[in-house]
Amino acid sequence: QVQLQESGPGLVKPSQTLSLTCTVSGGSIGSGNYYWSWIRQPAGKGLEWLGRIYTTGSTNYNPSLKGRVTISVDTSKNLFSLNLNSVTAADTAVYFCARASRAVAGLYYFDYWGQGTLVTVSS
Amino acid sequence: DIQMTQSPSSLSASVGDRVTITCRASQSIGRYLNWYQQKPGKAPKLLIYAASSLQSGVPARYSGSGSGTDFTLTISSLQPEDFATYYCQQSYDIPMWTFGQGTKVEIK
Repeated sequence: QVQLQESGPGLVKPSQTLSLTCTVSGGSIGSGNYYWSWIRQPAGKGLEWLGRIYTTGSTNYNPSLKGRVTISVDTSKNLFSLNLNSVTAADTAVYFCARASRAVAGLYYFDYWGQGTLVTVSS
Repeated sequence: DIQMTQSPSSLSASVGDRVTITCRASQSIGRYLNWYQQKPGKAPKLLIYAASSLQSGVPARYSGSGSGTDFTLTISSLQPEDFATYYCQQSYDIPMWTFGQGTKVEIK
């Protein structure tokens, strides 16, 4: 059974960098046709996809984040990470990591999620 | 970017009711549409992928249909554990995946 677990600071100061890690267990992050994604959810609001990294290391990001986001993978430690720089109060949210599996060519769905971690941006 | 619009934003229903939620894409996405259920304080759970394929372990009262721009999620007989928020999500757009704004199903 694949499990994902987010970790990182729960409080980040404005203008600093938010850094989170997602540790994957029960399967190898470097194998299979999977994308590994970050998704966030402000309190009482909907889900926002932030970006993804493929097992080869290629990445795609939500353009609305204007280049502030970086996702990386460490296959030796079976984890992937999120860095979001120049944060403001608007980045306060629960951050989820998730695995996207392929159904057919190009069609992916999120089948495994972490429990989510709340990150608050405040001085 | 492809915009996903769900309707209604919320609904009230009783146990045993048939419930239908609609998701509309701003352009054709084929069948590249997934549905999730989220309960308060929890991560979303996959219900339906590829518009109509039921995820393993999900009760058969859930079904999905549609293609192109218009999709529906139907719960044939609402159960107490089904009160939650439901999201659609498209994976057609490369490289931008998007979610609908959510539909909250509440107890009448």
